[in-house]
Amino acid sequence: LAKTTQPISMDSYEGQEVNITCSHNNIATNDYITWYQQFPSQGPRFIIQGYKTKVTNEVASLFIPADRKSSTLSLPRVSLSDTAVYYCLVGVPSNDYKLSFGAGTTVTVRA
Amino acid sequence: SAVISQKPSRDICQRGTSLTIQCQVDSQVTMMFWYRQQPGQSLTLIATANQGSEATYESGFVIDKFPISRPNLTFSTLTVSNMSPEDSSIYLCSVEERLDGYTFGSGTRLTVV
Repeated sequence: LAKTTQPISMDSYEGQEVNITCSHNNIATNDYITWYQQFPSQGPRFIIQGYKTKVTNEVASLFIPADRKSSTLSLPRVSLSDTAVYYCLVGVPSNDYKLSFGAGTTVTVRA
Repeated sequence: SAVISQKPSRDICQRGTSLTIQCQVDSQVTMMFWYRQQPGQSLTLIATANQGSEATYESGFVIDKFPISRPNLTFSTLTVSNMSPEDSSIYLCSVEERLDGYTFGSGTRLTVV
């Protein structure tokens, strides 16, 4: 599985946009990029998944440049409830796909 | 998406004892995964459980310490055996859902004293 690198922590304020960049320099051709969110005392929750260019859903946007060696999760207009750990994962979705979690990025949103 | 129920949600156990954690899914799934999350750390995969076959363990985890059962397509158990304080962690089960990635249970917070 491709190794990922994310910032350990980020601070923000309510209403701001938060962008978390993940580096995955040795991403393979068939790998997808997936982001999970984990609140304290809960299991991780799937946020978004993409392969290239841009993916947007009701929660976030995922930007992937042409070389796919990095990706950026964008959280628009964060609120206090967006305070969580965000994990970037890279791999091939399949029946035996094993999620490999890195350290994640702790995002703290302040009032 | 699938709904996962994990029991117990938390427990405090004496060292040397064993605890069995249950994971119930509201739909049939091929594979179930067990993770450990030590305090302040990320998640580490313990093993993958297929119905009708022995679980596949990741490096550093052995069946004698973490026996797993998978009697049907909606249920699995993980036992933490002969516990020591180092086993104090959150244990989570997970299933794959093709369209929505993976779904996780809310975890079992284990404290060994």
